Amino acid sequence: AQTVTQSQPEMSVQEAETVTLSCTYDTSESNYYLFWYKQPPSRQMILVIRQEAYKQQNATENRFSVNFQKAAKSFSLKISDSQLGDTAMYFCAFGNTDKLIFGTGTRLQVFP
Amino acid sequence: KAGVTQTPRYLIKTRGQQVTLSCSPISGHRSVSWYQQTPGQGLQFLFEYFSETQRNKGNFPGRFSGRQFSNSRSEMNVSTLELGDSALYLCASSLEGREFYTGELFFGEGSRLTVL
Repeated sequence: AQTVTQSQPEMSVQEAETVTLSCTYDTSESNYYLFWYKQPPSRQMILVIRQEAYKQQNATENRFSVNFQKAAKSFSLKISDSQLGDTAMYFCAFGNTDKLIFGTGTRLQVFP
Repeated sequence: KAGVTQTPRYLIKTRGQQVTLSCSPISGHRSVSWYQQTPGQGLQFLFEYFSETQRNKGNFPGRFSGRQFSNSRSEMNVSTLELGDSALYLCASSLEGREFYTGELFFGEGSRLTVL
């Protein structure tokens, strides 16, 4: 069975600084995707970034980038130049043909 | 176009009662999946429906059930409510359901259930 672990329940960062959220996963599959989702307070969950397991190059979306270490089964999210609007719950997720499996989330607070 | 709509947004029930939650997907989307979100467990997959058929089910007791109608709208039902069922219930829609691979799911704002 697949598992996703986020070991940081809460994190905080000052505006304009950089923060890294950690995620590890476990699977015996070779073909899968990894995702980071953002859930702002009282708002809908949205996809931030995704990484295909067979691609070695780390995905980047504007200020968001990942560090994908397949052998270590690690998938961290780096947010550069943090903004107040980045304040949210962040969920790491594993996807295969059947379902999405989420971690327990990291609550990120960005301070002015 | 309209997003995923979940109703009701908030509800309070007592132990032993049952509850029905509704999810209207984005127009044209045929897959609806349901998740239970709790502070300690994160999001846990409940089930997924595609073209009125349940294609996959998570590890939840039989008290949790669902269905999908011909217009792709989906309902989930929880019978004999327990205190531990208090949670935010999210649904997500996608075109064909294989978007678990791509992550292109569109989530609703959720139905927050409190069981007293």
